[in-house]
Amino acid sequence: DAKTTQPPSMDCAEGRAANLPCNHSTISGNEYVYWYRQIHSQGPQYIIHGLKNNETNEMASLIITEDRKSSTLILPHATLRDTAVYYCIVRVYVNRDDKIIFGKGTRLHILP
Amino acid sequence: ETGVTQSPTHLIKTRGQQVTLRCSSQSGHNTVSWYQQALGQGPQFIFQYYREEENGRGNFPPRFSGLQFPNYSSELNVNALELDDSALYLCASSLQGQYQETQYFGPGTRLLVL
Repeated sequence: DAKTTQPPSMDCAEGRAANLPCNHSTISGNEYVYWYRQIHSQGPQYIIHGLKNNETNEMASLIITEDRKSSTLILPHATLRDTAVYYCIVRVYVNRDDKIIFGKGTRLHILP
Repeated sequence: ETGVTQSPTHLIKTRGQQVTLRCSSQSGHNTVSWYQQALGQGPQFIFQYYREEENGRGNFPPRFSGLQFPNYSSELNVNALELDDSALYLCASSLQGQYQETQYFGPGTRLLVL
């Protein structure tokens, strides 16, 4: 089972920041938080990942709480092309065990 | 674009038939993972191949099998197709070593079983 909880859907106005929450209260010390998104039945697209510190790349920012029990993905200026299902995933890599367990994700609608 | 390619893009089969799906991994990657995504659900892990050997398997029956070739490309074979096998099949490639590496997904193959 997925170790994360996400709201099933969210709306965000175009041009505004989209803040997608994720709860992972049972996360272990060696588990990373990953975010992927999937646009209309295409393959999932990697967005960002982190362990403890906040991370930023050209697509998004990832804010992880100090206790690591929750995180927020921030798309700073949402566009219509950001409409997708966003998956928050907790991953551990032990002895090359590297499967990803997906939950149901959050369906993000960007409103014009 | 991730550099991971899959073929074919779409496929229609009938119950009881066999199917082979193909995946070319991103340059420099040595690991391929396969996932099944039913309509409206998140992807589910089928199995993973690392250096031509199966390296982990999800809750799928033995009629789901795979191969990885020396160039790290991979095949997913499904025998005795059932209607519930209709899904989007995704492969993801990664470079496995001492540390965790990101998996990058291909565009998927959509299989319809009639």
